[in-house]
Amino acid sequence: QLVLTQSPSASASLGGSVKLTCTLSSGHNSYAIAWHQQQPEKGPRYLMKVNSDGSHNKGDGIPDRFSGSSSGAERYLTISSLQSEDEADYYCQTWGSDRVFGGGTKLTVL
Amino acid sequence: EVQLVESGGGLVQPGGSLRLSCAASGFTFNRYDMNWVRQAPGKGLEWVSYIDSSGSTVYYADSVKGRFTISRDSAKNSLYLQMNSLRAEDTAVYYCARSPDMDVWGKGTTVTVSS
Repeated sequence: QLVLTQSPSASASLGGSVKLTCTLSSGHNSYAIAWHQQQPEKGPRYLMKVNSDGSHNKGDGIPDRFSGSSSGAERYLTISSLQSEDEADYYCQTWGSDRVFGGGTKLTVL
Repeated sequence: EVQLVESGGGLVQPGGSLRLSCAASGFTFNRYDMNWVRQAPGKGLEWVSYIDSSGSTVYYADSVKGRFTISRDSAKNSLYLQMNSLRAEDTAVYYCARSPDMDVWGKGTTVTVSS
């Protein structure tokens, strides 16, 4: 069964950087995933697709501060030069035989 | 501008029905598969249902199978979700999103199931 695992919370300093992780369940290392951001009281916003080879394709208007990468079963979202508006929930999602969301990571910008 | 706009949410009693709509604009709707996703209060995102571009293939989450029906009308550039036998646990904001990587989201419509 396809499962995406995310840490429930993360924190980083204003102006710093953070790397969020999404782990694919065993046997699904080849899957691409998408990252979505949900700011407080807002709907989700598509950030990017991250492929198994580490390449990524960002959505329109997504700043260069956001980037994606991969290693094995892990897919990463790195945010640099953190700003207060980056404080949000971040979800990974995939669309293989199932359409699945990770549980989300709540990012706090200190 | 690429846009999805949901409507049709509201307050309904347990056991009741609602029909949600999602109006698409700014892209060729009949070329894309579509999804419904929901978010219960204070919870994460949950995929609900999928329909392919032709409308011939549909999938449902186990939590709604047999109660919800997804459909689309390409002439109206619209996606629908018929929700029957509603339960309290169906209370959520419902979003439509474009497949496969959900790169376009609507702002959502709120469904509250309560007596």
